[in-house]
Amino acid sequence: DAGVTQSPTHLIKTRGQHVTLRCSPISGHKSVSWYQQVLGQGPQFIFQYYEKEERGRGNFPDRFSARQFPNYSSELNVNALLLGDSALYLCASSFGGRQPQHFGDGTRLSIL
Amino acid sequence: GQNIDQPTEMTATEGAIVQINCTYQTSGFNGLFWYQQHAGEAPTFLSYNVLDGLEEKGRFSSFLSRSKGYSYLLLKELQMKDSASYLCAPWNQGGKLIFGQGTELSVKP
Repeated sequence: DAGVTQSPTHLIKTRGQHVTLRCSPISGHKSVSWYQQVLGQGPQFIFQYYEKEERGRGNFPDRFSARQFPNYSSELNVNALLLGDSALYLCASSFGGRQPQHFGDGTRLSIL
Repeated sequence: GQNIDQPTEMTATEGAIVQINCTYQTSGFNGLFWYQQHAGEAPTFLSYNVLDGLEEKGRFSSFLSRSKGYSYLLLKELQMKDSASYLCAPWNQGGKLIFGQGTELSVKP
């Protein structure tokens, strides 16, 4: 069975641009969460979606937004990119909102 | 507030046992996860504790004391491939995983 898949694997952008990151959960999983991981730190929670509704939001500015589609895949959008947005963005899926989360390989975003 | 505290680095010898401690404070509590993360890779799920006590899974065991806000991950018969970062992640009332900065474990021959 396929695990959580994320695309793209790597991305380079410049300041001020916007970016869309994509995530496909494990088949049957209805919850998707997004995390930002800066080098040397643990992942920081950005969003959680369950059944296409936002169930939680971390301490991130409004430049960060996300959505979940009817097939449970998800997109994370970041506008007006800043140098500090350079990080590994991880998507995790779970069967329900309160089940163990399984992570994808992440998208490494570099801002120049 | 929310705070996770675990040692930054640990070193152990191949074949030995190592215990990685984690103390936490969160707004509400629904359980605690441990993840392993190799450099440049995604975190992989190791264990989940929701009740007090020890959960054993092969060479890995995890312990939880909710009243003390304390957990540990025990790794037995260490192998070189166990060199990685180990992340303690309590699950708060809002259903969010709150990660610590991780403990970088180096296993030496």
